[in-house]
Amino acid sequence: EAGVTQFPSHSVIEKGQTVTLRCDPISGHDNLYWYRRVMGKEIKFLLHFVKESKQDESGMPNNRFLAERTGGTYSTLKVQPAELEDSGVYFCASSPMGRGAKNIQYFGAGTRLSVL
Amino acid sequence: LAKTTQPISMDSYEGQEVNITCSHNNIATNDYITWYQQFPSQGPRFIIQGYKTKVTNEVASLFIPADRKSSTLSLPRVSLSDTAVYYCLVGDASSTGANNLFFGTGTRLTVIP
Repeated sequence: EAGVTQFPSHSVIEKGQTVTLRCDPISGHDNLYWYRRVMGKEIKFLLHFVKESKQDESGMPNNRFLAERTGGTYSTLKVQPAELEDSGVYFCASSPMGRGAKNIQYFGAGTRLSVL
Repeated sequence: LAKTTQPISMDSYEGQEVNITCSHNNIATNDYITWYQQFPSQGPRFIIQGYKTKVTNEVASLFIPADRKSSTLSLPRVSLSDTAVYYCLVGDASSTGANNLFFGTGTRLTVIP
C-alpha cells in the first residue's frame, strides 16, 4: 500500500511568487492534515480536512495560504504571494475515519520550501 | 492540549536499552499518549500509543504509571538506525476531541557505535 506522497520534495522560489504543494493521502483515508516546521521551530498544525470539507483551519497563518481538497482525494496548499518567513518544511498526514485512537496519523516526507 | 516535557537530547551506545521519559502533568481523562519517531528528511512516523499501564509492540514498549502524569518510551537494544528525534504527544482521542497533533521539541537520540 502506498504511503502519503508529497510533491515536490523541494521548491525554491522568490519572494512574491506563488507555489502550490500537493499531497496524496493514503487511499481511503478521509482525514487529511497539513503541518509545517519553520526553521528552528516545532512542527505546527495548519489545517484538517474531512473528505473535501475543512474541519479545522485554526493553524493557517494568514490569508496568503489556501488549501483545497477537491473530491476528497488529494489536497493542494497554495502560498500566494510567498514571503521569506514561509520557508520551512510542509508535512501532510492522513488517517482513516472511525479509529478508536485517532491520534495515529501517517505522514509524508514533506516538501521543503525555500523562499529567497 | 496537554503540554509535554521531554529531554532535548540523549546519547546511547549500540545494543543498550534506551528509556525516554515524558512529563505531561496536565493530561486529561480523554487523552492518549502517543510517540512518534522522525528521521532526517522524513515525516514523523507513529511508534506506539497507550492510555495506561504498559503497551508493547515490535518496536518499543510504553510504560504509563497510574497517575498518567508521565510516560516512558523504552527502546530495546538500540542500533545506529534508531538515531532519530522522538516526540511524545498527548491528545484527546475521543470522537469529539481535536484531531490535530501537537509536537513539542522532541528528544534527539544519538546512537553511538
